[in-house]
Amino acid sequence: ELKVEQNPLFLSMQEGKNYTIYCNYSTTSDRLYWYRQDPGKSLESLFVLLSNGAVKQEGRLMASLDTKARLSTLHITAAVHDLSATYFCAVTGNQFYFGTGTSLTVIP
Amino acid sequence: KAGVTQTPRYLIKTRGQQVTLSCSPISGHRSVSWYQQTPGQGLQFLFEYFSETQRNKGNFPGRFSGRQFSNSRSEMNVSTLELGDSALYLCASSISGGKAGGYGYTFGSGTRLTVV
Repeated sequence: ELKVEQNPLFLSMQEGKNYTIYCNYSTTSDRLYWYRQDPGKSLESLFVLLSNGAVKQEGRLMASLDTKARLSTLHITAAVHDLSATYFCAVTGNQFYFGTGTSLTVIP
Repeated sequence: KAGVTQTPRYLIKTRGQQVTLSCSPISGHRSVSWYQQTPGQGLQFLFEYFSETQRNKGNFPGRFSGRQFSNSRSEMNVSTLELGDSALYLCASSISGGKAGGYGYTFGSGTRLTVV
């Protein structure tokens, strides 16, 4: 069974700082997704990474994919409070496999 | 463009009862997947339907079942509810689902089920 691991599980960071969330998966997959979830809300699609070396950026978030290392990163630049949420990565095998999630809190 | 609609949004049921949740996908999407989200287990895949056929199933007991109609709307049913079934149930639609779902999955707002 495909396993998806994220770290860290919890992240508390100050506004203005940079940080990276890591997502490792256990078997080959050439599609990786990043989602954001606010408390009590559904999942909001952030990025779909379709190939090795893919890099996508939206605002203060940048995601990349290394299929050879089976690693994706979500980099946060100059964090702001509005980015506080839980972030999930996911890959598709014969189903959708989600990571454990990273709960991000940005402190003023 | 309408999103994925899940009804009801909130539900409280008693142990032993059964419940039916509904999901209407984005127009043109033929794949509907269901997920259970709990604090302890995270997001777990229940099943996926495509063109009225169950294509994949996760590791849940037979009390959890689903179906998809010709208009792609899907329902999931949980019989003989247990306290541990309390969760947020999310459905997601995509054009084709599975690995071919490169367009991504769009999630509904979820149904919050509480079993007492």
